[in-house]
Amino acid sequence: AQSVTQLDSQVPVFEEAPVELRCNYSSSVSVYLFWYVQYPNQGLQLLLKYLSGSTLVESINGFEAEFNKSQTSFHLRKPSVHISDTAEYFCAVSAGGGSNYKLTFGKGTLLTVNP
Amino acid sequence: KAGVTQTPRYLIKTRGQQVTLSCSPISGHRSVSWYQQTPGQGLQFLFEYFSETQRNKGNFPGRFSGRQFSNSRSEMNVSTLELGDSALYLCASSAVYEQFFGPGTRLTVL
Repeated sequence: AQSVTQLDSQVPVFEEAPVELRCNYSSSVSVYLFWYVQYPNQGLQLLLKYLSGSTLVESINGFEAEFNKSQTSFHLRKPSVHISDTAEYFCAVSAGGGSNYKLTFGKGTLLTVNP
Repeated sequence: KAGVTQTPRYLIKTRGQQVTLSCSPISGHRSVSWYQQTPGQGLQFLFEYFSETQRNKGNFPGRFSGRQFSNSRSEMNVSTLELGDSALYLCASSAVYEQFFGPGTRLTVL
């Protein structure tokens, strides 16, 4: 079984400041890792994913995350945030190797970007 | 391609009633998963269907059930509703390595 811990439930930052949202996971098997974003009254949108290969993955809107196997972490970072990045962010894990239709989510981190 | 659609978007029911939610996956996707999202428990996996068969199941009581049709559309049913069933129910259809989520159905149980 897998579990995910998002260390911060809320992260307030000012516009144009850097941000890091922390995520740690636990699993006895190899995993796939995901970050999803949820805007108010909407479903989840995939932000980025790690399946294999390069441990640094990037999204089209400036976010990046680094898979660290030794620390079992997959922290999300952005060097300069915008007001429109205000949303809830969820880290998720699925077991690799074909059993990847069940996602285990963290509790979420509410990112609030203030002007 | 059209995204995942869920109907209805909002529902209000009373305790003891039953409810059916519908999900239409992205064309070509054969796997549909359901999740419950609440402020207290967060996002929890309910079940997953693939080619009309339930392939995975989460830790929910038998009041929660689902099915999938030959066109991959899926429904979930909750019988004997309880106040604690109030939640956002999300459906996701799967490509090989990622899940695409619908907007959800907001169920309120009074």
